[in-house]
Amino acid sequence: DAKTTQPNSMESNEEEPVHLPCNHSTISGTDYIHWYRQLPSQGPEYVIHGLTSNVNNRMASLAIAEDRKSSTLILHRATLRDAAVYYCILRALYGGSQGNLIFGKGTKLSVKP
Amino acid sequence: DAEITQSPRHKITETGRQVTLACHQTWNHNNMFWYRQDLGHGLRLIHYSYGVQDTNKGEVSDGYSVSRSNTEDLPLTLESAASSQTSVYFCASSQEPGPMSYNEQFFGPGTRLTVL
Repeated sequence: DAKTTQPNSMESNEEEPVHLPCNHSTISGTDYIHWYRQLPSQGPEYVIHGLTSNVNNRMASLAIAEDRKSSTLILHRATLRDAAVYYCILRALYGGSQGNLIFGKGTKLSVKP
Repeated sequence: DAEITQSPRHKITETGRQVTLACHQTWNHNNMFWYRQDLGHGLRLIHYSYGVQDTNKGEVSDGYSVSRSNTEDLPLTLESAASSQTSVYFCASSQEPGPMSYNEQFFGPGTRLTVL
């Protein structure tokens, strides 16, 4: 299975941008890059996903390296509510069970007021 | 509004008892999943279903079973609860055609199970 590597933890100040990195050097051509986050005492929630091009939605932006071996989740203005564990996950589009979400330990983001 | 619910939210049981955790979604999604999360770990997949009468084993399926008799529900049964099954259990659903995986999964609020 293609795997991802993320820092264990990061800190940010409120209202500042946050860049959460993810390395996935063994990514294959049909693997999508998905990001989920888990707020304290809640189930995970979807954030964003992409294949090759950078993606934007109301929650965040996803910047994907040209060689696709790394990506960065960008929160444009962190709020206290963004304090969570962020998971970077590769999903094989046509992979059957290989398309299931495989959660690593993620990056725990702390946001300081 | 459509949603995914889990019940009970908290349960304490004894070793050897059979336990069933309920998961119900009102989105009419094809796919449903069960995960467990232990302290300090990410979520691990237990079982999943791509539709009615379809069930598949995930990474940590030993000691668990599921059945899918309708679209809305995927109950998780612990046949004989063990202390190692003390965990937080999350149910999820997604609308994708079978094993394709481009859509988001929606997660329930979780069930905290303690096996004494």
